[in-house]
Amino acid sequence: DVQLVESGGGLVKPGGSLTLSCAASGFTFSTYNMNWVRQAPGKGLEWVSSISSRNSYIDYADSVKGRFTISRDNAKNSLLLQMDSLRVDDTAVYYCAREDIAAPAFDYWGQGVRVTVSS
Amino acid sequence: SYVLTQPPSVSVAPGKTAKISCGGSNIGSKSVHWYQQKPGQAPLLVVYDDSDRPSGIPERFSGSNSGNAATLTISRVEAGDEADYYCQVWDDNSYVFGTGTQVTVV
Repeated sequence: DVQLVESGGGLVKPGGSLTLSCAASGFTFSTYNMNWVRQAPGKGLEWVSSISSRNSYIDYADSVKGRFTISRDNAKNSLLLQMDSLRVDDTAVYYCAREDIAAPAFDYWGQGVRVTVSS
Repeated sequence: SYVLTQPPSVSVAPGKTAKISCGGSNIGSKSVHWYQQKPGQAPLLVVYDDSDRPSGIPERFSGSNSGNAATLTISRVEAGDEADYYCQVWDDNSYVFGTGTQVTVV
């Protein structure tokens, strides 16, 4: 079975840093594009960042560009999100999501990890 | 940036049909995907590429897309269908989600 398990969330002060991890299993990780999607408390879904299967393509939402860095280690089946210069409005549940091979849709999601940015 | 507009809420009686709209400029030219999210859970893909269903999703869930609106239809609604629903498209190298619709089974 496909499993995506996020970790690394927590409470951080504005301006601080945090690194989220996503451990993947149950599929050939190196053949799928991977993404981070977040959801602020009581709000809708917001795409954050995407990385292609072989690291050849990376993109970010304007709201995090220049502050967040996505990366992956195909040998370890892991996805990372380095978050710097965190702001209060980065507070959200962050989901790791696999992108379907045939369509730009997210076919599997992790359970999410909570990030709270507060002084 | 591309905007997808959904009604904030839809109410439906058990056994009836719920229709959730997703409006966007010329959305009929794009592929639309739909997610179901129950409280405290991660989203679940229920329809992709306008009208296809992933394995395990009941046939009661169907989709259509034309012109400036896409629609998710839930037939024979059950209590377990109560959730938030989001549409999503890929536009200009970005993944765009709709504003979300809360479906209440009354």
